[in-house]
Amino acid sequence: AQSVSQHNHHVILSEAASLELGCNYSYGGTVNLFWYVQYPGQHLQLLLKYFSGDPLVKGIKGFEAEFIKSKFSFNLRKPSVQWSDTAEYFCAVSGGYQKVTFGTGTKLQVIP
Amino acid sequence: GAVVSQHPSRVICKSGTSVKIECRSLDFQATTMFWYRQFPKQSLMLMATSNEGSKATYEQGVEKDKFLINHASLTLSTLTVTSAHPEDSSFYICSARERPRGLQETQYFGPGTRLLVL
Repeated sequence: AQSVSQHNHHVILSEAASLELGCNYSYGGTVNLFWYVQYPGQHLQLLLKYFSGDPLVKGIKGFEAEFIKSKFSFNLRKPSVQWSDTAEYFCAVSGGYQKVTFGTGTKLQVIP
Repeated sequence: GAVVSQHPSRVICKSGTSVKIECRSLDFQATTMFWYRQFPKQSLMLMATSNEGSKATYEQGVEKDKFLINHASLTLSTLTVTSAHPEDSSFYICSARERPRGLQETQYFGPGTRLLVL
């Protein structure tokens, strides 16, 4: 069975601060990894995804994530956050053709 | 990009009635659709996987007679909450996956349907 854990439930940052959200997964085989974002009042949107190749994945809006296989991690980063990044972020994992399993989410609040 | 719509976006119903929620993939064919339930301050919980033309696969603990899923076409799946009760009040989200292309698949999410059962 696959599982995902997100370490931070609620993060508060000032604008221009750097962001790193932790995500660890559990699965024995090849995985596909995702970060989704849910802005207030909006639906889930794909931020970035990793299937294979370069472990450093760049997504939309300046976000990136690094897949570290040895640590079973897929942390999300952004060098300088903006107020508009205030949202809830979900890490997700899919093993092969299996269903996608979501983490519990991290609420990010960016203070102007 | 791929767009998934849900209808209605919000529904209020009386206890004991049935509610149908539609999920449509607007610009792609979805052989597989997923139904999730999101509780306040919690993550998405997969309820069932719906494959076009076949019976849905339900997750453990999800009552298949309570949550009826139909995936009659490559662009439409419906979730019917039968004999709804207040504890069924929740945010229901569908997602759709394009025709498989090896292992590189992405799910696209609908905007969700807020159900309130009085």
